Formats: sequence, structure tokens, C-alpha cells
Amino acid sequence: DAGVTQSPTHLIKTRGQQVTLRCSPKSGHDTVSWYQQALGQGPQFIFQYYEEEERQRGNFPDRFSGHQFPNYSSELNVNALLLGDSALYLCASSLYGETAQPQHFGDGTRLSIL
Amino acid sequence: EDQVTQSPEALRLQEGESSSLNCSYTVSGLRGLFWYRQDPGKGPEFLFTLYSAGEEKEKERLKATLTKKESFLHITAPKPEDSATYLCAVQAIQTGANNLFFGTGTRLTVIP
Repeated sequence: DAGVTQSPTHLIKTRGQQVTLRCSPKSGHDTVSWYQQALGQGPQFIFQYYEEEERQRGNFPDRFSGHQFPNYSSELNVNALLLGDSALYLCASSLYGETAQPQHFGDGTRLSIL
Repeated sequence: EDQVTQSPEALRLQEGESSSLNCSYTVSGLRGLFWYRQDPGKGPEFLFTLYSAGEEKEKERLKATLTKKESFLHITAPKPEDSATYLCAVQAIQTGANNLFFGTGTRLTVIP
């Protein structure tokens, strides 16, 4: 049973560039959430996608955008990169519902901005 | 505003020396509290979900408990392979389905 997979594992960009990160959810899951984890910090919620729509958003600027495809996979796009965007970007998948569902995480994409 | 505070920030234990990690939380209505383990360079690995005060969950050397204000992760007779960062997260009823709010974690080192 394949877990959450993310690509690429590492990425180096320069300020002002744009980046796209990809995520395939765990088999059977329909919801994808994206988190940013700075060094030494806990993950911070960026947004969540269900049924190809952004359902919820954390405190992140519009430079961060996303997409979910009919097969439930997802992309995170970041425009006009800043040095402060350097972080580990984590994708988590789960089943959408009223009760608290555990989210299962991939190993992330390490993004470095020069 | 939702808040999660984990203590201590770092903990060093001798192999076999039992201890507890604390997660204090403030949330308007708790939908669930989650414990994760994170190894360096990896994503968080799900350990437990707790839903209501008084609930307990166990897995091997780990036991998680929940009160109305805090959760504890008890580690009994730890081994070096238990070394990792342990993250606590809450999901609040008001913020909708599946949005997790994390603490900054406790970095555990178990010395042989």
C-alpha cells in the first residue's frame, strides 16, 4: 500500500522565481493538505484541497496557490520566491469527514532559496 | 486563538530511563489531539489520536493520555531507536475538517 509520495525531494531556486511541488496521496484518501515546516519548528498549515477545490487556507499570502486533480493528486505553486520561503514543504492526505481523521505525511520537498 | 505548547524542547535519556513529554493546548473546542514522530529529513509519522479527556492509547513503549488542558506522551524503558522529534497537534471544531495546528516538538535523544 503506497503511502504519500512527494516530488522532487530537494529543490534549489533563486529569489523571484516560481516553483511547483507535487504530491500523490495515500491510496484511498481524497483530501490533501499542504504544510510548511521551517527548521526547528512544527509544520504550519498552508491550505487543504478536497473535490478539486481549496476548502481551507492558513495564514499564507496569495503567492501560495494549489491545485487538486481528479485522481486526488495535488500541486503546490509558489510565485515570486523569497528567502523566507526556504523550508520543508509537507503534503498530508486523509479522508474528508466530520470526525478527526489522522493525516498521513510524505517525506516532503526541501526547498532552498538562494 | 488555538495554541499548542510542548515541553521540554529537548530531552536526553539513558536507555531504559522512563519519562514523559507534555503538550498543553488551548482550543475553543477540541475535535482531536494527534501525536506524531518525526525523524531527521523525514515527514511526521502518525502515532495516536485522542478525542476526549480520560482517553489513553498505547503502542509498544509509548502511551498517550489526554486531559481537558494537556496531553502526555509517556515513554517506558526507551531504546536508542526511540530518538526522534515528537510533535503534538490539535484539530479544532471551529477551524473545520482536518486542519492541524502543531506545537514545535520535543527532541528526544536516548543514549545507549
